[in-house]
Order: sequence, then C-alpha cells, then structure tokens
Amino acid sequence: EVVMTQSPATLSVSPGERATLSCRATQSLSTNLAWYQQKPGQAPRLLIYHASMRATGVPARFSGSGTGPEFTLTISSLQSEDSAVYYCQQYNAYPPAFGQGTKVEIK
Amino acid sequence: EVQLVQSGGGLVQPGGSLRLGLSCAASGFTFSSYAMSWVRQAPGKGLEWVASMSGSDDRTYYADSVKGRFTISRDNSKNTLHLQMQSLTVDDTAVYYCAKGLRVGLLYYYDSWGQGTLVTVSS
Repeated sequence: EVVMTQSPATLSVSPGERATLSCRATQSLSTNLAWYQQKPGQAPRLLIYHASMRATGVPARFSGSGTGPEFTLTISSLQSEDSAVYYCQQYNAYPPAFGQGTKVEIK
Repeated sequence: EVQLVQSGGGLVQPGGSLRLGLSCAASGFTFSSYAMSWVRQAPGKGLEWVASMSGSDDRTYYADSVKGRFTISRDNSKNTLHLQMQSLTVDDTAVYYCAKGLRVGLLYYYDSWGQGTLVTVSS
C-alpha cells in the first residue's frame, strides 16, 4: 500500500510570495499524481493531474512538478483566495491514497 | 456543466445501517462513460478513498476499511450513484463525497465532486 506524506503541515506565506508544498510517496508513482485544493466547508477542487497538468480553469500561478516518489506544488504568487488545505493523491496503485494535507495560511 | 448532487446521510446508531444509503445524481456529462467514486472526510481530518465503480462493466473496488460492509452501485438509466452502508461504527462518521473519475489504468483522479453529505454514527 502506497503511503503519501505531505510537508509541511502548515505553511504561512505573505501575499505575492511563493508557496512550495511537497508530497512524497513510499514508492514510485511515475507521474500518476493529482493535487486538490479544499476550502472550509467546500468539496475538494482538482488543481493538477499527471503531476504537472493544470485542470481546466486553474490559474497559471499553480504549477506541479516531480516524478517517481517526490512531487511539488508551487503557488508562484500567493493570493488571499489561495488560503486552503491542499492534498496530493496517488492513482498509480490500489488503494488510491491521499496525503494528510498542507494548510496554506496568508501571513 | 457537470453537477453532482448528493442526498441521504444523517444520524445512525453504531451497528446500524443507513436505511436509504447515500445517493449522487449526476448531470452535464455522459454518466455511463465515467467511473464514479466515494471519498470521505472525518471531522477535521483528511480525505479517504472509500469505493469506486467503473462506468459500464460493473467493476467495483473498496477500501479495506469498508469491504464487506459498504456496497457501491449505480443506475446508468437514472444517472445516479449509490452507497449502501451497514454495520456502521463511529469511525465511519464523516462527510461523504461522490466524485467523477478520470481513468488512468485501473485507477482514477477526480475532476468533479458532489457537495458532500454528513453521516454521523453515534448512540
């Protein structure tokens, strides 16, 4: 079973600054990794799939990178509306698994 | 526009069943062409995959934590996904989301989600 570990648990970033979120798997995933954004009281929203492909309507300030076991989600210039919890999800092997989430706060 | 509208949920005693289960009514896409899944989130916790069902050939997959107790099903004629839940424990307390899956091999990532419905297991 693949275990996903995200770091840090909480990230506090000033508006306009860069936010870098990490996700590590216990085995290689190739590029079978997605990132989701979840705001309080809302359902998750797909941001990135195939490790680096932006979903429809996702702003260009969100980018994904990585392969194998290590992946990164970067928010290039943080906006106030980006305050949320971000989850990675592997879809390379059953059972599909999510990381525990990184909470991004606006400093 | 893709829409997933959930219904059901509520309060259940430990060991009990959710009488009508959970439902997810889909619109805005060809329902039978897509796998669907249930993902849950315990209060204050992260996301946990529960079950998936393929679009048209009835393949089902379950998390070990719910296998033998939950049943995922779908009615492609009514564009509806269901989750029957029995032998519930307090650990099943969560918001349950239905999600539309995009297939990669035998697995999925999720591009659309329902609004979520709360299932509370408590005496």
